[in-house]
Amino acid sequence: EAGVAQSPRYKIIEKRQSVAFWCNPISGHATLYWYQQILGQGPKLLIQFQNNGVVDDSQLPKDRFSAERLKGVDSTLKIQPAKLEDSAVYLCASSSGDFSLGYFGPGTRLTVT
Amino acid sequence: AQKVTQAQTEISVVEKEDVTLDCVYETRDTTYYLFWYKQPPSGELVFLIRRNSFDEQNEISGRYSWNFQKSTSSFNFTITASQVVDSAVYFCALSSGSSNTGKLIFGQGTTLQVKP
Repeated sequence: EAGVAQSPRYKIIEKRQSVAFWCNPISGHATLYWYQQILGQGPKLLIQFQNNGVVDDSQLPKDRFSAERLKGVDSTLKIQPAKLEDSAVYLCASSSGDFSLGYFGPGTRLTVT
Repeated sequence: AQKVTQAQTEISVVEKEDVTLDCVYETRDTTYYLFWYKQPPSGELVFLIRRNSFDEQNEISGRYSWNFQKSTSSFNFTITASQVVDSAVYFCALSSGSSNTGKLIFGQGTTLQVKP
């Protein structure tokens, strides 16, 4: 079974630029999550999708962050414009419902200079 | 409020020593799940274990064991006879509420360094 795929793995941008991350969950997994992990901290949930609907985006900075999951499969997370404090690893995870074995992708490491 | 505290920021041991990673959680829900994840230098989060709030049985898996105590709101993780490959950041996490939607509240993590 293929795991959660994310791209790019690394991205360096200047502040005020835009950036987008892509996630392909495990086939058949209805639930998809985006987490932000700042260096030295545990991951924090940004947004959760159930199929193509948003379940929880309470911690998503909506003035600059947006996410979509078209057709309930792949997802894109966008930051526009980026700030220095957005430097972090962005982790995508998926599950088939019960998160007993939630699978995380390798993450995208974003550096904002 | 839901919170996970991992008071140990960094632990350094010599190979073959036993080591315990502490985790204390807070939640008002009676149904919740506790997790441990390992994050090696490659960055990917690796699932280790999940326990639900109604199952206080301790669990052993090879060199790993977990001690869940509701009375002290703790879910500690012990590695027996540590190995260099155990070097990683370990996260304790909480998923609260009966729906177990997967919204995980993570602790700050404990960096474990196992020296040869």
